[in-house]
Amino acid sequence: RKEVEQDPGPFNVPEGATVAFNCTYSNSASQSFFWYRQDCRKEPKLLMSVYSSGNEDGRFTAQLNRASQYISLLIRDSKLSDSATYLCVALAGNTGKLIFGQGTTLQVKP
Amino acid sequence: EPEVTQTPSHQVTQMGQEVILRCVPISNHLYFYWYRQILGQKVEFLVSFYNNEISEKSEIFDDQFSVERPDGSNFTLKIRSTKLEDSAMYFCASRDRGQYGYTFGSGTRLTVV
Repeated sequence: RKEVEQDPGPFNVPEGATVAFNCTYSNSASQSFFWYRQDCRKEPKLLMSVYSSGNEDGRFTAQLNRASQYISLLIRDSKLSDSATYLCVALAGNTGKLIFGQGTTLQVKP
Repeated sequence: EPEVTQTPSHQVTQMGQEVILRCVPISNHLYFYWYRQILGQKVEFLVSFYNNEISEKSEIFDDQFSVERPDGSNFTLKIRSTKLEDSAMYFCASRDRGQYGYTFGSGTRLTVV
């Protein structure tokens, strides 16, 4: 089983739509989780950390369910500039190693 | 905003040749990493480096790979004898103590021909 698993998509949505991405992880010892954004052939950039209590940053809301080992990202009022690949990431061990999912591709269309 | 700088941005090398990928992490960061991403695949951990030694390495990081922090500012990844399957984007990253928010460099695209 993959350590971090995501639906690769692509998700094609119109501007203004709300879209949700899901991710599951297999290592129950993982303590911290993140969503990163990656534009084509560029480096991953941190979008937000994910907490069990849920956290919101503008149009983005992330949620962690430890019992189900499930992470979500909700994007409201999608913009064209949101088009990218969204990477679900788990922090593994105590060396700070990041385990990446394969990413979910979002394409927002006018 | 501080940046992690990687050079070169693109390197083409012949199979069997040695390559050195260079990175300048953020100056006050303490933890350094290399990741790679084969085209169309996920980002994969290669190695972590702290206090002038490797703290963890993946199965990918075999005897053909080595890392070095020769002068307190640069952090290099060496591949001794490149294979076609080493073709990938290589990302350097660094972070400060207690922070799990990495900063990634913009990557070096390595093409082995």
